[in-house]
Amino acid sequence: SQQGEEDPQALSIQEGENATMNCSYKTSINNLQWYRQNSGRGLVHLILIRSNEREKHSGRLRVTLDTSKKSSSLLITASRAADTASYFCATKTGAGSYQLTFGKGTKLSVIP
Amino acid sequence: SAVISQKPSRDICQRGTSLTIQCQVDSQVTMMFWYRQQPGQSLTLIATANQGSEATYESGFVIDKFPISRPNLTFSTLTVSNMSPEDSSIYLCSVLTGDGDTQYFGPGTRLTVL
Repeated sequence: SQQGEEDPQALSIQEGENATMNCSYKTSINNLQWYRQNSGRGLVHLILIRSNEREKHSGRLRVTLDTSKKSSSLLITASRAADTASYFCATKTGAGSYQLTFGKGTKLSVIP
Repeated sequence: SAVISQKPSRDICQRGTSLTIQCQVDSQVTMMFWYRQQPGQSLTLIATANQGSEATYESGFVIDKFPISRPNLTFSTLTVSNMSPEDSSIYLCSVLTGDGDTQYFGPGTRLTVL
């Protein structure tokens, strides 16, 4: 069943601008992970944030998590054409479960 | 992190035939998974590949259609049997790392069924 829902479905920005993507989910989670997928290829793991964390950084990436609103955001700063890809959030519910439930993704286009 | 390879990277198959996809990891991992991504869609978990025992399938997926082998801790195969055009998808394997939470994915196998 669908857990994460990304917003917007598609986003087009100019190179150098910041890109923000949002993910909402329905049930309590153990952690939330963001992935990037280039042109229907494999998924690249970007960042994992646990339910007891509020913010994490990795290079130009900043992820926030608001468990009270059941939402997360991914911010890419100073975007580059190479950031053009689809971005997915995936949630893991219980500590005893290994299954990830993926959202539908945001398709980001960065225009040079 | 883990380095994961998949073979083949893509294939075009005829209806009614079967295709076996291989997933190789550069280190021993406990948990391996198979996902399907239909065109324009998100990822759906097919099954968990268990070493030394039968795979655990998610609702809507059955062993006769998607038999899985896991002979050791670094290798698994997924077979898509008796294919139809509806099976056209990207199939991805993933592994769970030592922290028990992070899943890393292979490059995927793009399957087209005519």
